[in-house]
Amino acid sequence: DAKTTQPPSMDCAEGRAANLPCNHSTISGNEYVYWYRQIHSQGPQYIIHGLKNNETNEMASLIITEDRKSSTLILPHATLRDTAVYYCIVRVALLNAGNNRKLIWGLGTSLAVNP
Amino acid sequence: KAGVTQTPRYLIKTRGQQVTLSCSPISGHRSVSWYQQTPGQGLQFLFEYFSETQRNKGNFPGRFSGRQFSNSRSEMNVSTLELGDSALYLCASSFPDRSDTQYFGPGTRLTVL
Repeated sequence: DAKTTQPPSMDCAEGRAANLPCNHSTISGNEYVYWYRQIHSQGPQYIIHGLKNNETNEMASLIITEDRKSSTLILPHATLRDTAVYYCIVRVALLNAGNNRKLIWGLGTSLAVNP
Repeated sequence: KAGVTQTPRYLIKTRGQQVTLSCSPISGHRSVSWYQQTPGQGLQFLFEYFSETQRNKGNFPGRFSGRQFSNSRSEMNVSTLELGDSALYLCASSFPDRSDTQYFGPGTRLTVL
């Protein structure tokens, strides 16, 4: 699985949009981009995923560049409850991965939403 | 659907003991992965099971082992516990379909004294 690069920390004012970047320059054609967040000492929470098209759900929007080498997670109106560590992961599906899948997670971006 | 459940939620053991952690995946999910998370660290991949077979394994010593049952429930075992094994152990399940989205449980907090 390809590795990702994220800034270690970001700040955002409550009510404003939070834009979290992720670089995945070695992504392969069949790898999906996933975003998760983890609030202190809880299990990671799935947010959104995409392959090459932009995606939106009730939590966030995912913008993937045309060359797929980077993506941005957008929280349109950040609240204090969005304070968490956000992880960007790229991964090929298990059934396409054979036995070499290592499911690599980086250190993520610690987002602080300030009042 | 009920989410991924992990038992126990908290556990305290002493060095040299062994421990077994349990994970029940979301109904219909057949893949289960285990991760270790220590303070300030990202998630470290332990192993992945699909249809009762270990498909992938991370870089952990042989003291860490796991298995998956026919109902997709999974257990992981750590033998001869060391202080450094204190961590949050997370389990994630997936269907897995083309996108193979993983969903996580709340974790088991293991403290080794």
